[in-house]
Amino acid sequence: EVQLVESGGGVVRPGGSLRLSCAASGFTFDDYGMSWVRQAPGKGLEWVSGINWNGGNTGYADSVKGRFTISRDNAKNSLYLQMNSLRAEDTALYHCTRKGISMGYAFDMWGQGTMVTVSS
Amino acid sequence: EIVLTQSPGTLSLSPGERATLSCRASQSVSSGYLAWYQQKPGQAPRLLIYGASSRATGIPDRFSGSGSGTDFTLTINRLEPEDFALYYCQHYGSSPPFTFGPGTKVDIK
Repeated sequence: EVQLVESGGGVVRPGGSLRLSCAASGFTFDDYGMSWVRQAPGKGLEWVSGINWNGGNTGYADSVKGRFTISRDNAKNSLYLQMNSLRAEDTALYHCTRKGISMGYAFDMWGQGTMVTVSS
Repeated sequence: EIVLTQSPGTLSLSPGERATLSCRASQSVSSGYLAWYQQKPGQAPRLLIYGASSRATGIPDRFSGSGSGTDFTLTINRLEPEDFALYYCQHYGSSPPFTFGPGTKVDIK
């Protein structure tokens, strides 16, 4: 089955760190660029970070630049998001997404997400 | 950074009617790198339209996208009960950030 499954979310205090993981299956992972997209409770979608197929190019939203680091391990079919210096405004459901090669590089596959809550 | 504005915020329609959703960009979206997603409560978003006008795999033909430059439209002909949801437009492509619009909610009148 073709799917993305996120893990690693939880409750963390402001200033703390978390590492999110996304396990990909059912497709050739290293053919695809990937991104993280988050959604705060009751709010819209926000692109957080993206990485190309081999990890050589990465990008970040201004809101997380310098605090979050995206990476991937193609041998393990996995995507990661290291989140440091977390703030209350980082509280959200974090989705792992795939940039679809046959869909003009739009985000054609989404995981169900892992919830991150930053609270004291 | 390209900022996307969607209108209206909420669209109240009846099943069988046509929905017309607008997405306006603060600057030209190159190569039509504009996508539309549908999101239902408790679910992940689903890609509907990419390249401004191409339907994603498995998307019914009552969904259509159009536009270029800074003005884009998602049209849903003959609304089905399952079409009442949130819709987001997104700029994507090779140069991040890949911003989303604030969304349009299509609800039942």
